[in-house]
Amino acid sequence: AQRVTQPEKLLSVFKGAPVELKCNYSYSGSPELFWYVQYSRQRLQLLLRHISRESIKGFTADLNKGETSFHLKKPFAQEEDSAMYYCALREGNTGKLIFGQGTTLQVKP
Amino acid sequence: DTEVTQTPKHLVMGMTNKKSLKCEQHMGHRAMYWYKQKAKKPPELMFVYSYEKLSINESVPSRFSPECPNSSLLNLHLHALQPEDSALYLCASSQDAGDRVDYTGELFFGEGSRLTVL
Repeated sequence: AQRVTQPEKLLSVFKGAPVELKCNYSYSGSPELFWYVQYSRQRLQLLLRHISRESIKGFTADLNKGETSFHLKKPFAQEEDSAMYYCALREGNTGKLIFGQGTTLQVKP
Repeated sequence: DTEVTQTPKHLVMGMTNKKSLKCEQHMGHRAMYWYKQKAKKPPELMFVYSYEKLSINESVPSRFSPECPNSSLLNLHLHALQPEDSALYLCASSQDAGDRVDYTGELFFGEGSRLTVL
């Protein structure tokens, strides 16, 4: 069955520390993975997608098919990175997204 | 205009009421979605419309009735809801997956309608 797992509910780091939010997936085909972010009182929005291999706000994520992972990383966390982060998998040829349970990132000053 | 607009922002209704949630986008997207989000939980897909036709219904109870009157509008009609239906209802839109070679898969979400059922 298709599934996205984010093992950490809460990740708390100090400003300037490296950050890694974990995401593992289970999918029978070729996966298409995304990271969405929800800042306080703002709408859910796309942060990055594995296909474009881009870096947004200093975040990167590499798809590792061997480990079925798509971890989100940033070398130096900023306070404004504090938010809820969702890893998501697109199912088949539809727009349907399967979301992980989410990880709250708290960056302390 | 790159926004998805949802109204109302807040709605309180009794279990016998009939109400509707509305969603609008002007990005030319031909796929539109309803998601339900409970507090501190991820969004759960309810319905997908593709080219104004219902393409996915995730076994949602019939007290929720979606409608897509045109390519820019999406409604969710609510009738005889239960208190456990209280949640944030999110609308989203995207390019249609089968439509374009430059399909990105990105969903654009509205801010949501927070529903409380008494």
